[in-house]
Amino acid sequence: DAKTTQPTSMDCAEGRAANLPCNHSTISGNEYVYWYRQIHSQGPQYIIHGLKNNETNEMASLIITEDRKSSTLILPHATLRDTAVYYCIVRPYLRQLTFGSGTQLTVLP
Amino acid sequence: EAQVTQNPRYLITVTGKKLTVTCSQNMNHEYMSWYRQDPGLGLRQIYYSMNVEVTDKGDVPEGYKVSRKEKRNFPLILESPSPNQTSLYFCASSLQGAGETQYFGPGTRLLVL
Repeated sequence: DAKTTQPTSMDCAEGRAANLPCNHSTISGNEYVYWYRQIHSQGPQYIIHGLKNNETNEMASLIITEDRKSSTLILPHATLRDTAVYYCIVRPYLRQLTFGSGTQLTVLP
Repeated sequence: EAQVTQNPRYLITVTGKKLTVTCSQNMNHEYMSWYRQDPGLGLRQIYYSMNVEVTDKGDVPEGYKVSRKEKRNFPLILESPSPNQTSLYFCASSLQGAGETQYFGPGTRLLVL
């Protein structure tokens, strides 16, 4: 399975867009990109996933580069409640998810 | 309300005293899973179940047992807990498989003395 690389931490001003990058240069054709987040010691929460095309839902947008070697999760208007650890996970569909260390996003007032 | 529940939420026990952490989901999901989370090690999968009576080992199954006699319940059993099983435990479920959206429970914080 492809490895992912994420920054350890990021800050974002409240009300601004938060752009969280993820590098997955060894991704293979059948692997999806998933994003989950975990607010301090709560259960992880699914955000979004995609294969090739960009995806958007009520929480976020996922932008996947054309070569699929990297992606960006965008929270369009970050709030203090978005402070969390964000996990980028690359797995074939229906395979088990493996959570790495993620990116600690801190939204600042 | 669609949810995954875990009980107890907090538990302090002693080495060797058998315990069970219950997990229940009300979404008619086929797939259920247990994870543990430890500082610096992230979330690691213990066991998972694709359906009733079907269970499989995850990445760190040693010292744990599970059962899936009903679709909604997936208890985690520690027959003889040890201090290295002190951790934060999460149960999760999804409609059919790991690739589907997984819904996580609130967590059970276990301390084994």
